[in-house]
Amino acid sequence: DGGITQSPKYLFRKEGQNVTLSCEQNLNHDAMYWYRQDPGQGLRLIYYSQIVNDFQKGDIAEGYSVSREKKESFPLTVTSAQKNPTAFYLCASSIKGQGDTEAFFGQGTRLTVV
Amino acid sequence: AQKVTQAQTEISVVEKEDVTLDCVYETRDTTYYLFWYKQPPSGELVFLIRRNSFDEQNEISGRYSWNFQKSTSSFNFTITASQVVDSAVYFCALSEWNYGQNFVFGPGTRLSVLP
Repeated sequence: DGGITQSPKYLFRKEGQNVTLSCEQNLNHDAMYWYRQDPGQGLRLIYYSQIVNDFQKGDIAEGYSVSREKKESFPLTVTSAQKNPTAFYLCASSIKGQGDTEAFFGQGTRLTVV
Repeated sequence: AQKVTQAQTEISVVEKEDVTLDCVYETRDTTYYLFWYKQPPSGELVFLIRRNSFDEQNEISGRYSWNFQKSTSSFNFTITASQVVDSAVYFCALSEWNYGQNFVFGPGTRLSVLP
């Protein structure tokens, strides 16, 4: 089945550790996105990528890093510099990085700092 | 700057009632796109509809209907004869036509449909 796969579903991190969230899509989409969702709030854009080997910061990129070495993969690293990383993280993709296409979402990763 | 407002934080209705979720947006572009997504308890956002700024026709899909009014910058979503399975958080989103697409989401409306 085509879709977006995020792993793991739940992730626990100790303070001071870096952790990487996986996002893979087999939809052959050019654009991929990472969003953060806090309880009772909307989605905020962390990073997005329109094509391989290119990515742009979103509204809340500080403390996060990404790579886009392959079209189907867009991993997100939450670094120790992120002061409040506990949140629900959603990865999405769209056919192309222009406004007229909808984004499809993965099932999310819930990250908790312990 | 883009902005999406969903003034209703939470709505509760009894099954079979109709319910309308409000969405008001701000943009300086003349070409833009509006979306509605549903987020069930599982967490994944499910795409419901896309509407471009040049198409003000209302749309109906089964029990769902959408009313787009550019004059009031609104894109409201109505569920007719609501069902318990409609319980979810609903997000309205806006995207402009440019390289570096950025979906801007509203804060969401939590809909609870009671049996």
